[in-house]
Amino acid sequence: KQEVTQIPAALSVPEGENLVLNCSFTDSAIYNLQWFRQDPGKGLTSLLLIQSSQREQTSGRLNASLDKSSGRSTLYIAASQPGDSATYLCAVNAGGTSYGKLTFGQGTILTVHP
Amino acid sequence: GAVVSQHPSWVICKSGTSVKIECRSLDFQATTMFWYRQFPKQSLMLMATSNEGSKATYEQGVEKDKFLINHASLTLSTLTVTSAHPEDSSFYICSARRVQVNEQFFGPGTRLTVL
Repeated sequence: KQEVTQIPAALSVPEGENLVLNCSFTDSAIYNLQWFRQDPGKGLTSLLLIQSSQREQTSGRLNASLDKSSGRSTLYIAASQPGDSATYLCAVNAGGTSYGKLTFGQGTILTVHP
Repeated sequence: GAVVSQHPSWVICKSGTSVKIECRSLDFQATTMFWYRQFPKQSLMLMATSNEGSKATYEQGVEKDKFLINHASLTLSTLTVTSAHPEDSSFYICSARRVQVNEQFFGPGTRLTVL
């Protein structure tokens, strides 16, 4: 059974700091991995999608890497802003007979203070 | 593009009643939709996979007779919570899978409160 762990559970940083969120998964047989953002009481916003054959994806100040063999992904946020405050979730998309099912980590609650 | 809507955004109902939640993909067709629930300060747990034109596949521990799922078209899936109880109170989120890139897009969620 796939298990996804995110570290740290919470992170508080001053505005402008670069930061890294970590995600690890137990079964490396994945199809792809997604990073999401969730604001309180809201749905999920997809940030980055990395296919299993890719090493990284970039969008603006965000960069996500994937090391499938070691079961790790990181989300790098450059020059953080107060508007980045949210819960960040990583989710692993299984392959095979579980194709399309997402297994989520518990999330990292990020607070960026001015 | 790739917008998913849910209706209602929140609902309060009495114990014993049934509640229907709609999930629509607004600008793309979704042969597969997924239903998740999220308890406060917890992550999302997959409840069931909804396939257009066929029966839904439920995850272990999810009562299919309590959580009825219908995926009647390529843009609409519904989740009906039957005979709701206070422990069913939760945040229900749907997602629709865009086939071309196997990426899921999520709805804004429905907050269900059962009194």
